[in-house]
Amino acid sequence: GAVVSQHPSWVICKSGTSVKIECRSLDFQATTMFWYRQFPKQSLMLMATSNEGSKATYEQGVEKDKFLINHASLTLSTLTVTSAHPEDSSFYICSALSGAYQETQYFGPGTRLLVL
Amino acid sequence: DAKTTQPPSMDCAEGRAANLPCNHSTISGNEYVYWYRQIHSQGPQYIIHGLKNNETNEMASLIITEDRKSSTLILPHATLRDTAVYYCIGKAAGNKLTFGGGTRVLVKP
Repeated sequence: GAVVSQHPSWVICKSGTSVKIECRSLDFQATTMFWYRQFPKQSLMLMATSNEGSKATYEQGVEKDKFLINHASLTLSTLTVTSAHPEDSSFYICSALSGAYQETQYFGPGTRLLVL
Repeated sequence: DAKTTQPPSMDCAEGRAANLPCNHSTISGNEYVYWYRQIHSQGPQYIIHGLKNNETNEMASLIITEDRKSSTLILPHATLRDTAVYYCIGKAAGNKLTFGGGTRVLVKP
């Protein structure tokens, strides 16, 4: 149980285009999901907290207009990187909070984004 | 949330128990100790968590000292697939996970 999927697993795009990443909790409902970013040889950095039915909460320094988050249902959150640039190239990872097990976060496999 | 301190790296022999230490001397009474690991190019994997009692599941055992200032994650029989970065995180319910540097564990044949 507690499986989280992400799609796509990797994406290459041209500078200036927008990219949408999906995060799904497959066997549980998650009112809260999180989006992280990880650069090479660094640890995970929390970008934002996604709450079903309400606006996302962004960490300091993360541009909300650039990283659009939508939590449309209890099993789906999406992250859209708008007008992507090469410096947005990174490993994006989502997690979903399972309230059934003392609020443990379960992570997706990650999406590798390369902006040319 | 509590600040945790872990050794940056350690080597383990395949088939032997791997004991991963974590110091969390400032942990408060309502904060759990969580362990995750991240295998290269994958999302973190939940391993185990505990509050004050020792915990065991199919992956590992978590030993928390009585004063809760430190804990040890035990992988009973390390395999090559256990090579990963292991993160120890102190977190209260409802709070966010904050990842530090973790311990880079290399299991050697």
